[in-house]
Amino acid sequence: AQSVAQPEDQVNVAEGNPLTVKCTYSVSGNPYLFWYVQYPNRGLQFLLKYITGDNLVKGSYGFEAEFNKSQTSFHLKKPSALVSDSALYFCAVRGQFGAGSYQLTFGKGTKLSVIP
Amino acid sequence: DAGVTQSPTHLIKTRGQHVTLRCSPISGHKSVSWYQQVLGQGPQFIFQYYEKEERGRGNFPDRFSARQFPNYSSELNVNALLLGDSALYLCASSLVTSGGSTDTQYFGPGTRLTVL
Repeated sequence: AQSVAQPEDQVNVAEGNPLTVKCTYSVSGNPYLFWYVQYPNRGLQFLLKYITGDNLVKGSYGFEAEFNKSQTSFHLKKPSALVSDSALYFCAVRGQFGAGSYQLTFGKGTKLSVIP
Repeated sequence: DAGVTQSPTHLIKTRGQHVTLRCSPISGHKSVSWYQQVLGQGPQFIFQYYEKEERGRGNFPDRFSARQFPNYSSELNVNALLLGDSALYLCASSLVTSGGSTDTQYFGPGTRLTVL
């Protein structure tokens, strides 16, 4: 079975400082990893994904994520946080084979608060 | 291009009733997935449909059913509603790769179901 862990329920960061939201995963075969953001009373908005290739993935709104196979991690990062980045962030994994290849498994989410 | 659309936005039902939720995918996307997001949790996979066939089903009771129409829109049906069915129901659409895997899933705004 595939799973995702987001160890921090909440991350607080000052505006202008770098931010990191942590994610570790477990899956059979090669992982397909995703980050989504959710604003209050809204659906999920796709930020970025890792399928293969360069371990540093760049996405929307200045976000990037680093894939680390040995640590089974896919941490989300941004060099300079904005107040408008405050939201709920979800990491998700999809497997390479069988049933896991079409369903996303999500972490519990991390609430990011950027303090002015 | 229009994104994934869902209707209705909000719904209030009482225990034992039946509900139908609707989803229209992004134009060109033939795969639709449904997820349930309970407050404070990440989305949980319910179903995926591709070319009108069910590809997969999550760990949900038979009270939950779905179908996909020739225009690739989809309905999620829930019978005999329970209080625990109160949640945000998310629909996602995606392309399918040549290898049969699901590409990036794009989510709609969701339907907020409240069961009293």
